[in-house]
Amino acid sequence: DAKTTQPTSMDCAEGRAANLPCNHSTISGNEYVYWYRQIHSQGPQYIIHGLKNNETNEMASLIITEDRKSSTLILPHATLRDTAVYYCIVFKNVGTNAGKSTFGDGTTLTVKP
Amino acid sequence: GAVVSQHPSWVICKSGTSVKIECRSLDFQATTMFWYRQFPKQSLMLMATSNEGSKATYEQGVEKDKFLINHASLTLSTLTVTSAHPEDSSFYICSMGHNEQFFGPGTRLTVL
Repeated sequence: DAKTTQPTSMDCAEGRAANLPCNHSTISGNEYVYWYRQIHSQGPQYIIHGLKNNETNEMASLIITEDRKSSTLILPHATLRDTAVYYCIVFKNVGTNAGKSTFGDGTTLTVKP
Repeated sequence: GAVVSQHPSWVICKSGTSVKIECRSLDFQATTMFWYRQFPKQSLMLMATSNEGSKATYEQGVEKDKFLINHASLTLSTLTVTSAHPEDSSFYICSMGHNEQFFGPGTRLTVL
């Protein structure tokens, strides 16, 4: 599985956009980029995923660079409840080892009033 | 998305006893499930891949005789921590899915 690197921590003002970067320079052609977040003492919550096109859903937007070596998760209007550890993961979702994920240390996002 | 439950949500046991943790899908059939362990202030570490109807595949450094995995049906996988010790105290999380992985709420194990 490709390894990802993320900043250890970030702060964001409530109501502003939070942009969380992730580097995955060794990603293979059949690996997707997934983002999850984990609030203390809970299981990770799925946010969004993509292969090479930018994606948007009700929670966030995902911007993937053309070479797919990095991506950015955007929370358009951060709220205090968005304070969590955000994990960027790459893995295949079909075939051998599909779903097998390697978690990095993630980014601790703190949204401040 | 799929709803994944774990039981119990927390458990306290004495050293030397065995503890069984269930991971259940309420609306999804999974031939493969994953078990993770998370120590305080650390990331999730993959322990093993649970395969329905066959033996689990363990990650390097994870003792298969200590962490027994049974995946008897498409909706249930169990992890049994045998002869638990205080160092086994951790947050155990399962996941499953076809595309995105859906994670259970986790089970906090404390071994006294």
